[in-house]
Amino acid sequence: SAVISQKPSRDICQRGTSLTIQCQVDSQVTMMFWYRQQPGQSLTLIATANQGSEATYESGFVIDKFPISRPNLTFSTLTVSNMSPEDSSIYLCSVVRQGEQYFGPGTRLTVT
Amino acid sequence: GQQLNQSPQSMFIQEGEDVSMNCTSSSIFNTWLWYKQDPGEGPVLLIALYKAGELTSNGRLTAQFGITRKDSFLNISASIPSDVGIYFCAARNYGGSQGNLIFGKGTKLSVKP
Repeated sequence: SAVISQKPSRDICQRGTSLTIQCQVDSQVTMMFWYRQQPGQSLTLIATANQGSEATYESGFVIDKFPISRPNLTFSTLTVSNMSPEDSSIYLCSVVRQGEQYFGPGTRLTVT
Repeated sequence: GQQLNQSPQSMFIQEGEDVSMNCTSSSIFNTWLWYKQDPGEGPVLLIALYKAGELTSNGRLTAQFGITRKDSFLNISASIPSDVGIYFCAARNYGGSQGNLIFGKGTKLSVKP
């Protein structure tokens, strides 16, 4: 498996502000992803974080709203910009190791 | 788009009972996965299935990759209180983005001691 940590674990933010979530993996991984899990819902892929190039976003998600950085093979950040209450969700970092996909503990975001 | 229909949505069972949940789709997949999510945590991979008809066990958990490649089930035998959580099925096709797992909506399991 993979050891994945995320910071912060939870936050309460005011609408209109931005929050940057960090993801750290215990060793280098090629593929790193960000997911969103809205309250009581399943997981939806936001984007693939590509090392050294721009992230690849899924339909319905855009770079201006969810800018992503991937400076190296063990670290990535996801920023939730200009937040609204609809952004209240759990945001999860995920990596592929030995062909299988593992998830971090998540960041629980509440926007008031 | 592709969807996974997971059932049941929730289950309330007595400790010691067996549990069965399944996932179906109108689409064909090459990989089926089962995850468990505890409150406040990320999903944890339980079982991965790569071949149609494959039956794989992990302790008290058994999962099968349907022969049509359109479904999978997960069984838990002799449930215990720590089995409580939300179980998600997920599926993926080769050729698509590795991260682009499609998830079911989850089965919430409650176990009465």
